[in-house]
Amino acid sequence: DADVTQTPRNRITKTGKRIMLECSQTKGHDRMYWYRQDPGLGLRLIYYSFDVKDINKGEISDGYSVSRQAQAKFSLSLESAIPNQTALYFCATSDSRGQGDTGELFFGEGSRLTVL
Amino acid sequence: GQSLEQPSEVTAVEGAIVQINCTYQTSGFYGLSWYQQHDGGAPTFLSYNALDGLEETGRFSSFLSRSDSYGYLLLQELQMKDSASYFCAVRGYTNAGKSTFGDGTTLTVKP
Repeated sequence: DADVTQTPRNRITKTGKRIMLECSQTKGHDRMYWYRQDPGLGLRLIYYSFDVKDINKGEISDGYSVSRQAQAKFSLSLESAIPNQTALYFCATSDSRGQGDTGELFFGEGSRLTVL
Repeated sequence: GQSLEQPSEVTAVEGAIVQINCTYQTSGFYGLSWYQQHDGGAPTFLSYNALDGLEETGRFSSFLSRSDSYGYLLLQELQMKDSASYFCAVRGYTNAGKSTFGDGTTLTVKP
């Protein structure tokens, strides 16, 4: 089983619909992230959480919200989806407590969202 | 903030050596990382340089020069399976150590 699991893997929806992407991890990491990837571009940070009570906006948080339900679960919501939110979304985790912290990110397999 | 620049595409032949460069602008950072991504799959961590110099991991090596604001990923003995996108990323002091990614370099390995 994957250490970082995202659901759904693919979703097609219509403009104005509310969408939730879920992420769960079995790695025991404290930090979780949501990134967005558009074709030909790198990964841009939407939101991040350094522990259950800590939620922070990333560089492109407008139109998104998140919830850290438990250390292992971090969900991303699009309250009213629009076509330019069509993208590949990745959840990632990292462990701040390891020795020689490299900030290594462990990614899920991605959730491909299409907004019509 | 941080910004990183990488070439968008690189092509090389099987068995060759290829270098993917990354130049960055940042006010201060912990280190430079490299990630590999195959066909829109999950990016995977390749290497990390906290200090100047070369880090070697099998066929892959990564280099950092803080004075030149420059790093590179060196792939030796290229194999077809190395065809993928490669991203450099910096963990900055000013954003709680979060990683900021470059736009990636698509490497195509030809027979």
